[in-house]
Amino acid sequence: AQKITQTQPGMFVQEKEAVTLDCTYDTSDQSYGLFWYKQPSSGEMIFLIYQGSYDEQNATEGRYSLNFQKARKSANLVISASQLGDSAMFFCAMRERKVTFGTGTKLQVIP
Amino acid sequence: DTGVSQDPRHKITKRGQNVTFRCDPISEHNRLYWYRQTLGQGPEFLTYFQNEAQLEKSRLLSDRFSAERPKGSFSTLEIQRTEQGDSAMYLCASSPGGASGRVFRTDTQYFGPGTRLTVL
Repeated sequence: AQKITQTQPGMFVQEKEAVTLDCTYDTSDQSYGLFWYKQPSSGEMIFLIYQGSYDEQNATEGRYSLNFQKARKSANLVISASQLGDSAMFFCAMRERKVTFGTGTKLQVIP
Repeated sequence: DTGVSQDPRHKITKRGQNVTFRCDPISEHNRLYWYRQTLGQGPEFLTYFQNEAQLEKSRLLSDRFSAERPKGSFSTLEIQRTEQGDSAMYLCASSPGGASGRVFRTDTQYFGPGTRLTVL
């Protein structure tokens, strides 16, 4: 079974609109962390946001928020007020004993 | 505080040659990770170090691959007898590291720019 599933290979969003990128995960561990990274065409992985399995509140970092639904094992990334510079690949990752990445979602922001 | 650096950024080699990549983590980060990323995929875990100790290796890390982190600072990843299937982006990341048992925000990994390997 896939540890991390990102079902949206590609997404389009209008500039200034909000967009949700989906991520579901599979683990039997009680302690785990969920991360989102952005990878622009330049190739560098940029850390965006972290959610711990014991955190009761959804994480937020500026325009990024993580919609964490533990019972459903989902950790969707919400980007508010999309900007042209948000066009990139977005990866969801989970750390248990090691880190597993999803296959990514390519986001394209349309002017 | 500088970020994670990797050298070289690009490497072109012929099949059968050996290559070595270097990664300098963020200073005072205890943990260092190596990943491989092929086109259209997410990074795949290869190995990680806690200080100088190599704590985990993926089964992807065949006997042609070896990684070291002497003195718990920079790390090297060597690929011997390269094959065309080794062509990929090799990413290094570091994290402050936290207490064992639970995952904390200090497990957040910060990535370097990667080394793109092309095996002809």
